[in-house]
Amino acid sequence: SQTIHQWPATLVQPVGSPLSLECTVEGTSNPNLYWYRQAAGRGLQLLFYSVGIGQISSEVPQNLSASRPQDRQFILSSKKLLLSDSGFYLCAWSVSPGGATGELFFGEGSRLTVL
Amino acid sequence: QQPVQSPQAVILREGEDAVINCSSSKALYSVHWYRQKHGEAPVFLMILLKGGEQKGHEKISASFNEKKQQSSLYLTASQLSYSGTYFCGTASGGTSYGKLTFGQGTILTVHP
Repeated sequence: SQTIHQWPATLVQPVGSPLSLECTVEGTSNPNLYWYRQAAGRGLQLLFYSVGIGQISSEVPQNLSASRPQDRQFILSSKKLLLSDSGFYLCAWSVSPGGATGELFFGEGSRLTVL
Repeated sequence: QQPVQSPQAVILREGEDAVINCSSSKALYSVHWYRQKHGEAPVFLMILLKGGEQKGHEKISASFNEKKQQSSLYLTASQLSYSGTYFCGTASGGTSYGKLTFGQGTILTVHP
């Protein structure tokens, strides 16, 4: 069966510090991968998605970046965090192709607080 | 553009019914429904596709009016476990690779 893991689960970082959130998927090949962010009390905002190794599409201009160094690994990074980067970050995967017709499988989430 | 959900919040007693609506200003290919418990990841409930196909849980029903670009989620005989925030996600193209645009969420609280 397929599983998705994210870490760290909780992170408290000072403004201006770097960030690295990691997500791995097991039990499937060539998944579509996504990073979503959820600000407190709000909906899910798509940040990045990837359809293959090294292929990253950005949905929202910001100081975050994403990388996919391996087929089932997706990393969210920042060189300098802002207060507005605080939120609940969710990694997700879907079967490739056809995400619009299939289920998104979400990881457990990473809660980031920037102070 | 973000779909609009209504109502923003619903409070029910066990056994009561609820309807959550999702409306988009764009033509839709599919509508997806997810439920999220506090502090947890969203969990898939249902997909409704253009043309009438549905995939999801047997105990949850939904409708998709393609012409009006609207979807409704029907929760009948609610249970305590139904509590959570419900999100609709919309896709405007069949090849949008899961690039769903989510609504702001509807908070459902079920009391004994």
